[in-house]
Amino acid sequence: AQSVTQLGSHVSVSEGALVLLRCNYSSSVPPYLFWYVQYPNQGLQLLLKYTSAATLVKGINGFEAEFKKSETSFHLTKPSAHMSDAAEYFCAVTPSGYSTLTFGKGTMLLVSP
Amino acid sequence: KAGVTQTPRYLIKTRGQQVTLSCSPISGHRSVSWYQQTPGQGLQFLFEYFSETQRNKGNFPGRFSGRQFSNSRSEMNVSTLELGDSALYLCASSLAPSTGANVLTFGAGSRLTVL
Repeated sequence: AQSVTQLGSHVSVSEGALVLLRCNYSSSVPPYLFWYVQYPNQGLQLLLKYTSAATLVKGINGFEAEFKKSETSFHLTKPSAHMSDAAEYFCAVTPSGYSTLTFGKGTMLLVSP
Repeated sequence: KAGVTQTPRYLIKTRGQQVTLSCSPISGHRSVSWYQQTPGQGLQFLFEYFSETQRNKGNFPGRFSGRQFSNSRSEMNVSTLELGDSALYLCASSLAPSTGANVLTFGAGSRLTVL
């Protein structure tokens, strides 16, 4: 079985500050990991994915995440927050070879001017 | 190309009624998955269809059902609605369900309110 824990239901940053959203996973087999973003009244949009290639994954809108097996983590970062980054972010895991996603509870990112 | 289309976007029902939600996947995508999103439980997997066959099912009661047609379009049905069924129902499509590298592309969702 697999699970995802996202630390912090809300994270507040100032515009221009570093964004760090934490995700820890549990998986009995090598995982595939994903970050999705959800804007109000919209579905989920893929930011980036890890599928056992490079451990540092670059995604859209300047986001990146690093897979650390020893820490079972897949934290999402962005060097400089923009107002448009305000949204809810979801980390998700699936065992390699499957496609059903297990999501974390989500982290709401608030960006202040 | 067009994304995943879900209809209706919003609907209001009363307890005891039933509802049918529709999902048209991206052209060429043959796998469709459904997720329920609520503030309390977050995103939970409902079921996955591929080639008109249910491949996987989440932990939901039998009131929740679905199907997939030969053109890959999918519907889900909830019978005997309860207040707790109020949620955003998200459909996602992918090329095939065989590997996690197949990225799920989500629709905008159908927001169901049960009164």
